[in-house]
Amino acid sequence: GNSVTQMEGPVTLSEEAFLTINCTYTATGYPSLFWYVQYPGEGLQLLLKATKADDKGSNKGFEATYRKETTSFHLEKGSVQVSDSAVYFCALNNQGGKLIFGQGTELSVKP
Amino acid sequence: DTAVSQTPKYLVTQMGNDKSIKCEQNLGHDTMYWYKQDSKKFLKIMFSYNNKELIINETVPNRFSPKSPDKAHLNLHINSLELGDSAVYFCASSQGRLSSSYEQYFGPGTRLTVT
Repeated sequence: GNSVTQMEGPVTLSEEAFLTINCTYTATGYPSLFWYVQYPGEGLQLLLKATKADDKGSNKGFEATYRKETTSFHLEKGSVQVSDSAVYFCALNNQGGKLIFGQGTELSVKP
Repeated sequence: DTAVSQTPKYLVTQMGNDKSIKCEQNLGHDTMYWYKQDSKKFLKIMFSYNNKELIINETVPNRFSPKSPDKAHLNLHINSLELGDSAVYFCASSQGRLSSSYEQYFGPGTRLTVT
């Protein structure tokens, strides 16, 4: 079946540190991959997406590359800010509309 | 100007009661969804409607009944509430029907607490 595995949190970084949140997936065929972010007390917002192998999604300094050979979609940012503190969800869509989420990774950025 | 809105934002009720959550989207999307987020923040799809037609129905107790009066609205009615129903319920919408590539836009969530 389809599944998504993310690195466990919480992740605590100092401001301006480099961020990587690992995400690997299991799926048949060619799913679309997404990163969503959930700020405290809010709903999910799309951060970036990639719909085919080797695509790179990017937004607000965050990047992730769809790697079919390693079934991965790791999220990176070169310099995090306090305002990036949130829960990050990796997700795939392989069955026509059904988003399958990872367990979420909580990021805390300290000044 | 809210794209996907839900009411109420918070809902506290007792076991055995029946309650409803409403969702509206003004994005002109054809498809709407309900997701449940548990206390560990794990998200799982429950239902999806496309133009008032139920197209995704996950393994959810039949105490949960979605209803879509039109393509801009999707409501969730829950009968005989149980403690385990306590969660945050998110509504979402997207373009297309059964499409894998379109992103889904989420509402702010309804935090349901059953006592």
